Amino acid sequence: EIVMTQSPATLSVSPGERATLSCRASQSVSSNLAWYQQKPGQAPRLLIYGASTRATGIPARFSGSGSGTEFTLTISSLQSEDFAVYYCQQYNNWPPKLTFGGGTKVEIK
Amino acid sequence: QVQLVQSGAEVKKPGASVKVSCKASGYTFTSYDINWVRQATGQGLEWMGWMNPNSGNTGYAQKFQGRVTMTRNTSISTAYMELSSLRSEDTAVYYCARTSSTGTTPFDYWGQGTLVTVSS
Repeated sequence: EIVMTQSPATLSVSPGERATLSCRASQSVSSNLAWYQQKPGQAPRLLIYGASTRATGIPARFSGSGSGTEFTLTISSLQSEDFAVYYCQQYNNWPPKLTFGGGTKVEIK
Repeated sequence: QVQLVQSGAEVKKPGASVKVSCKASGYTFTSYDINWVRQATGQGLEWMGWMNPNSGNTGYAQKFQGRVTMTRNTSISTAYMELSSLRSEDTAVYYCARTSSTGTTPFDYWGQGTLVTVSS
């Protein structure tokens, strides 16, 4: 099983500042990496897929980078609606054996 | 628009089974796989398995092998996830989520979630 590790567990950021979230895979997942945002009481929402492609309707302040085992999600200027938990997920295997990272909570500083 | 609508909350006793449904609309049900993901309160996301609604083929995470069964009824565009031998640790919100049937892809649409509470 591919283990996904996210850091930090919690990130305290002021509105308008940049947030940088990390995700590491225990083995290469190529660019088969997605990021999701989850707010309390809601289902996760797809933000980024293919490591760097924004999903439909996702603002340009969200960007993803990386390949292989190291990935980054950057939120360039945090808005109030961006405070949430973010998960990375690999989808590199067929048949699917999908795994998520443990999540990073982005909170207001 | 694509929608996945799940059945309502359930309360079950330890040892019982639960069956959660996921009704798809706004797309061709048999053209996309349905996955199930669960989340215990305050915890992260855990993938349980997938099903191809066209063929009925399934694949389960090792942790749930022998306890989970994923099925579908194509006539009503509905997928089901049944989990047996419930224990307290199975208390969680269960989500269905869609992926492409033509290769591994991320979850692009999610159901609203179904809370399953296991308590004596």
